[in-house]
Amino acid sequence: DADVTQTPRNRITKTGKRIMLECSQTKGHDRMYWYRQDPGLGLRLIYYSFDVKDINKGEISDGYSVSRQAQAKFSLSLESAIPNQTALYFCATRDINEQFFGPGTRLTVL
Amino acid sequence: AQKITQTQPGMFVQEKEAVTLDCTYDTSDPSYGLFWYKQPSSGEMIFLIYQGSYDQQNATEGRYSLNFQKARKSANLVISASQLGDSAMYFCAMREGLRRGGMLTFGGGTRLMVKP
Repeated sequence: DADVTQTPRNRITKTGKRIMLECSQTKGHDRMYWYRQDPGLGLRLIYYSFDVKDINKGEISDGYSVSRQAQAKFSLSLESAIPNQTALYFCATRDINEQFFGPGTRLTVL
Repeated sequence: AQKITQTQPGMFVQEKEAVTLDCTYDTSDPSYGLFWYKQPSSGEMIFLIYQGSYDQQNATEGRYSLNFQKARKSANLVISASQLGDSAMYFCAMREGLRRGGMLTFGGGTRLMVKP
């Protein structure tokens, strides 16, 4: 089984809809991250969390919110989706010298 | 200023030849780590290699090696004996040790295409 899982893997939604992307990890890591990747570009940090009570904004947090329900679960929400939030979203956890990425969620906002 | 710069948007290499993908970085933090990831067309991010700023030797992992030139702030990825399956996007990333969070900052990537 994968160490970091994301659901859904693909999602098409309409402008104005609320959507939640979920991430679970079995690695026991405290640190979890949400990144966004736009076509042809590198990843940019949306939010990160050290534990359930420690959540921090990243470089591009506007329009997003997160919830750390447990050490193993970190969800990303788009309260009112807009087309420029169409992107590939990655969840990740961190070990000392490596970040472990989930498989990604491809989100399209029409 | 960009923290991670990858100046080669796209590159071709002949199968079985070696190729170097460039990466330069900018940080004033004495403690940092440099990472390379591969992203095939399927989209997942595959960790390739890591180099710490205090590591004395260049990192190697199988066919991948990292040419770390600290004074020049460069961390180029060398892939030896290219294979068709190496065709993918490659991203260089940095984690700065004193920066709270431990997040990665990514470059814009290089698309590598291996020709048969």
